[in-house]
Amino acid sequence: GAVVSQHPSWVICKSGTSVKIECRSLDFQATTMFWYRQFPKQSLMLMATSNEGSKATYEQGVEKDKFLINHASLTLSTLTVTSAHPEDSSFYICSALGLAGTYEQYFGPGTRLTVT
Amino acid sequence: AQKVTQAQTEISVVEKEDVTLDCVYETRDTTYYLFWYKQPPSGELVFLIRRNSFDEQNEISGRYSWNFQKSTSSFNFTITASQVVDSAVYFCALSEALSGGYQKVTFGIGTKLQVIP
Repeated sequence: GAVVSQHPSWVICKSGTSVKIECRSLDFQATTMFWYRQFPKQSLMLMATSNEGSKATYEQGVEKDKFLINHASLTLSTLTVTSAHPEDSSFYICSALGLAGTYEQYFGPGTRLTVT
Repeated sequence: AQKVTQAQTEISVVEKEDVTLDCVYETRDTTYYLFWYKQPPSGELVFLIRRNSFDEQNEISGRYSWNFQKSTSSFNFTITASQVVDSAVYFCALSEALSGGYQKVTFGIGTKLQVIP
């Protein structure tokens, strides 16, 4: 149980275009999901906290107009990178919060974005 | 603000050696959770352990063991008789509870472990 999927697993897009990444909790409902970014050989950095039915909470330094997050249902959160630039190339990982009080996050397999 | 320090960026050991990965954390919360994750080359994070701040009991799971010491704010991870399959980046992480029941997880920079056959 507690499986989180991401789609696509990798994507290449041209500079200036937008790309959407989906994060789904397959066998549980997640009121809270998280989006992380990981640059090569670096740690995971939290970008935003996504709450079902409400606006996402962005970390300091993350442009909310560039990284659009929509948590439309209890099993799906999407991250849209708008007007992508080569510096947005990174590994994007989502996670979903499990049962209340357990503080355990279930991570998706990640999406590798390359902007050319 | 919370902080997680993994002072060892890269470690190389010969297969069958024991290896300890260090993790030191900072937090002002009295209630928090500590985690260890493994990230193999494929990139997917693998959950290894979660420990809450009120449980200082050490844990052993097969070849893995964890030593949690609140007095030194450390949560070290030991792999006994290392194997090539243990080669990966290992992240220590700290979760604090924020108001409203939300949590925020801070990851350490990671320790890259290479086990040489």
